[in-house]
Amino acid sequence: AAGVIQSPRHLIKEKRETATLKCYPIPRHDTVYWYQQGPGQDPQFLISFYEKMQSDKGSIPDRFSAQQFSDYHSELNMSSLELGDSALYFCASSLGLAGGPPSTDTQYFGPGTRLTVL
Amino acid sequence: AQKITQTQPGMFVQEKEAVTLDCTYDTSDQSYGLFWYKQPSSGEMIFLIYQGSYDEQNATEGRYSLNFQKARKSANLVISASQLGDSAMYFCAMREGTGNQFYFGTGTSLTVIP
Repeated sequence: AAGVIQSPRHLIKEKRETATLKCYPIPRHDTVYWYQQGPGQDPQFLISFYEKMQSDKGSIPDRFSAQQFSDYHSELNMSSLELGDSALYFCASSLGLAGGPPSTDTQYFGPGTRLTVL
Repeated sequence: AQKITQTQPGMFVQEKEAVTLDCTYDTSDQSYGLFWYKQPSSGEMIFLIYQGSYDEQNATEGRYSLNFQKARKSANLVISASQLGDSAMYFCAMREGTGNQFYFGTGTSLTVIP
């Protein structure tokens, strides 16, 4: 079965540079989530989109922005990168909004993009 | 306050034996979902099992079962007949109310010993 696709899988940037992470959800999934997982830490929710509109916002820095496009893929744009931004960035997708049956409630994660800021 | 607490940073289990990974949660919402994910050393997050707050029966998925005790706010993962490939980090997560974000615990590192 098709899974969530993230690109690139690995990214190395210098401080103060910008980065764009892409996420392609599972076909028919209309909700996308972004998480950041620092080394040895649990994933932290950044932001989510449903039907191309922001649906929830977590601890996303002002330097980051994201959007969901008409084909439901999403991009996370990160500017003025800092050393502390080095992390594994996950995109997840689900069918519909939370609170429904298990088929819509479950978030399926992509393989992640490992960002290293030097 | 932590919404998800996993008190076992590391666990060891003999191959073919069962193991229970603990998870307690904190929410005042009546509607919520509980999830377990497996994260191997390769880094991907693999969905294992789901339990809805209104589900009266414990969820099961193959060798995985969730011991859901609502009054105690616990959602422990039981892995039966452990295999070497089960060695990984395991995260408990919760979605509460109508919110979309998942709250994760700090994880339990499971090592299966041959």
